[in-house]
Amino acid sequence: QVQLVQSGTEVKKPGASVKVSCKASGYAFTSYDISWVRQAPGQGLEWVGWISGYNGNTNFAQKLQGRVTMTTDTSTSTVYLELRSLRYDDTAVYYCGRGGYVHGYDYWGQGTLVTVSS
Amino acid sequence: QSVLTQPPSVSGAPGQRVTISCTGSSSNTGAGFDVHWYQQLPGTAPKLLISRNNNRPSGVPDRFSGSKSGTSASLTITGLQAEDEADYYCQSYDSSLSNVVFGGGTKLTVL
Repeated sequence: QVQLVQSGTEVKKPGASVKVSCKASGYAFTSYDISWVRQAPGQGLEWVGWISGYNGNTNFAQKLQGRVTMTTDTSTSTVYLELRSLRYDDTAVYYCGRGGYVHGYDYWGQGTLVTVSS
Repeated sequence: QSVLTQPPSVSGAPGQRVTISCTGSSSNTGAGFDVHWYQQLPGTAPKLLISRNNNRPSGVPDRFSGSKSGTSASLTITGLQAEDEADYYCQSYDSSLSNVVFGGGTKLTVL
């Protein structure tokens, strides 16, 4: 069965960087895109960006351009999200989701809480 | 403000029918980009409920249906059940932003 398993909770100071992983299994990794979506406490869903499982092409939310990187490791079917220069308002649960804007996201990871606190 | 506009809350009694609207603009839903709907239960990841305006993934009850016309889309839930109490989000693509966009979410309360 398709599974996306994310790395654990992170606590970071303002200005630091965080790297969250999303390990996929149960399907052909290179056949699907992976997107990241975040949800601040008590707030709605916010799209962070996506990466192609096929060729590593990326597209990021305009407000995060310059601070975000996404990479894949096809040998382990893992996608990484790195966010730099962390701010307090980056505090959120970060979800990875399989798919893209055409069909929607049909499978999701369990979420990773990233807390930015001094 | 979200690019896609949803009502903050809706409610209905068990067995009733509720509809959640999602209104966009000429650069997203009005440009022909499809709308997807998600259900999010408290403390859990979102779940794809409706894909491409009106398609139910396997396992989603037929009580859930979607439609789209012009710049607006809607999610309809019939035969409301207590377990349907959740947050619901619409999602599309915006060509001006070149980004995926979500609605602000609608909290469904089953009375």
